[in-house]
Amino acid sequence: NAGVTQTPKFRVLKTGQSMTLLCAQDMNHEYMYWYRQDPGMGLRLIHYSVGEGTTAKGEVPDGYNVSRLKKQNFLLGLESAAPSQTSVYFCATGHRAGVNEQFFGPGTRLTVL
Amino acid sequence: AQSVAQPEDQVNVAEGNPLTVKCTYSVSGNPYLFWYVQYPNRGLQFLLKYITGDNLVKGSYGFEAEFNKSQTSFHLKKPSALVSDSALYFCAVEGRSGAGSYQLTFGKGTKLSVIP
Repeated sequence: NAGVTQTPKFRVLKTGQSMTLLCAQDMNHEYMYWYRQDPGMGLRLIHYSVGEGTTAKGEVPDGYNVSRLKKQNFLLGLESAAPSQTSVYFCATGHRAGVNEQFFGPGTRLTVL
Repeated sequence: AQSVAQPEDQVNVAEGNPLTVKCTYSVSGNPYLFWYVQYPNRGLQFLLKYITGDNLVKGSYGFEAEFNKSQTSFHLKKPSALVSDSALYFCAVEGRSGAGSYQLTFGKGTKLSVIP
């Protein structure tokens, strides 16, 4: 099993360009999350999904959009990238029932020039 | 609103000595608490969690954490540190949102360096 995978691993964008980050999971988890990690700030939740076809905003949603058309995939889009979006992005998944840990992907390092 | 504080940006400990990484939390209702570890250029890995019951929780790689309700703390501990324990450690608290979904709030992380 691959677990949680993220595509791409690295990307450099120019200001104003758009891109989509893909998160895929083979763990059959209901919940999926997108976080960004910045030095000294820990992880901050961007958007999350509690099931196929549903999405919700997290702590820092501005400038990002998401879609969950299939249970196994969660896409994060940047419509017009800004230097403030330079970060490492992590996808995570989790079970719906009970109090369960989240499983993280390896991350995508994005630089916006 | 829920929050987590990790008061130390960095902790240095000699190999073989006990280590403690501190965490305090604030949450409405019962706290569900987690510790994760991040090695360089990797995603976070789950170490242990507290839901209810025994205040001393045992986890992966010999780590344990002590839940203290009166002090709202959940410190991570290990009796004897290894050089391979050097990593970034995150404490997190789970809250239950109005939509019924479960979200984690992370601390800012503590860098642990184990010195040979």
